[in-house]
Amino acid sequence: GDSVTQMEGPVTLSEEAFLTINCTYTATGYPSLFWYVQYPGEGLQLLLKATKADDKGSNKGFEATYRKETTSFHLEKGSVQVSDSAVYFCALTRGRNYGGSQGNLIFGKGTKLSVKP
Amino acid sequence: DSGVTQTPKHLITATGQRVTLRCSPRSGDLSVYWYQQSLDQGLQFLIHYYNGEERAKGNILERFSAQQFPDLHSELNLSSLELGDSALYFCASSVALATTGELFFGEGSRLTVL
Repeated sequence: GDSVTQMEGPVTLSEEAFLTINCTYTATGYPSLFWYVQYPGEGLQLLLKATKADDKGSNKGFEATYRKETTSFHLEKGSVQVSDSAVYFCALTRGRNYGGSQGNLIFGKGTKLSVKP
Repeated sequence: DSGVTQTPKHLITATGQRVTLRCSPRSGDLSVYWYQQSLDQGLQFLIHYYNGEERAKGNILERFSAQQFPDLHSELNLSSLELGDSALYFCASSVALATTGELFFGEGSRLTVL
């Protein structure tokens, strides 16, 4: 079945460091890919998304490129801040041609990021 | 604030008991999803309702059931509780049936089974 694998955490970085969180997926068809973020004590919120190969999603300085050839969607940020400390989830949902519920996201296990001042 | 409201925020109960978790979706959203988040399993999709009808089931146990009411709020019923059911239960909503994956999550209901 469809699945998402992301790097184990926790990841600890100093402020202004470069961030990469790896994510790879297994899916039939043409999934859409997402990064969600969960700040302490809150629910998940969408960070960015990409719906087809070679699309780049970006938001708040974070970027991820949908790479179909490597089935990857790695999250990057050039300079992290303390306020970026959170748990990051990579997720996919099936594409338009899949019958059935298209909104049920399949999540990776999450990567906890801690940024130190 | 996502606009999705979940109650209760915390719940402590004993094995064998039954609890009901409630979710009010964002205004105008017709789809409601339930997820279970635990340390060992991560985020697991449980069930999806759209405008009162069940649309998809994920890894939902037979001891669990859900429904969506005419006013679009949803309830997740967990019965014959076991220690392993302790988890954070999230509700999420979206506007329509076919989404591009943008779900709006509530803050979750933390269930502890003792």
